[in-house]
Amino acid sequence: EVQLVESGGGLVQPGGSLRLSCAASGFNVKTTYMNWVRQAPGKGLEWVSVIYNNGGTSYTDSVKGRFTISKDNSKNTVYLQMNSLRAEDTALYYCAKENYNKFDFWGQGTLVTVSS
Amino acid sequence: QSALTQPPSVSGSPGQSVTISCTGTDSDVGSYNRVSWYQQPPGTAPKLMIYDVSNRPSGVPDRFSGSKSGNTASLTISGLQTEDEADYYCSSYTSSRTYVFGTGTKVTVL
Repeated sequence: EVQLVESGGGLVQPGGSLRLSCAASGFNVKTTYMNWVRQAPGKGLEWVSVIYNNGGTSYTDSVKGRFTISKDNSKNTVYLQMNSLRAEDTALYYCAKENYNKFDFWGQGTLVTVSS
Repeated sequence: QSALTQPPSVSGSPGQSVTISCTGTDSDVGSYNRVSWYQQPPGTAPKLMIYDVSNRPSGVPDRFSGSKSGNTASLTISGLQTEDEADYYCSSYTSSRTYVFGTGTKVTVL
């Protein structure tokens, strides 16, 4: 059974950093494209980043240079390092498994709040 | 990358059909048959309902169908049921090798 469990969210001051984790089970992140998608409170979904099976990455413009996606194949875990956080980064961050351009499994999300 | 445009809300009585539009550009919806639809009831994670414009994952009722014409994709729910009440989002692959979601549509069953 596929499972995705996010962790690492919390309250952080503007300019601060957080690292989110997404622990996967039931499949191998080594051979899978993995994404982060966020949802600000009361707002819609926003794609954030992807890491390909070969380790290549892509980001939405608003987080380029501030966020870094990575993975540890031995731990079957994907990470999102978030630096220089802004109030507008406040959101529920979902980890999503990608399968040929569709997000077929989602975690339950971890909440990031950026506030002083 | 601007969000795809969806109507804020649609509604229908049980048994009726509703259609949600999703309008993008030549750089996303218009160029790729990689449009997906997601259902998100309140307080839950999104669930894949349609992929590659018109394909249903196993377990999704055939009341849900998708289509595309030009830069606009559509999701139709036929025979609306109370459990269909949720937010729905479209998504498309883009020419920038990224993804873009729609603005979201709240479906209300009257």
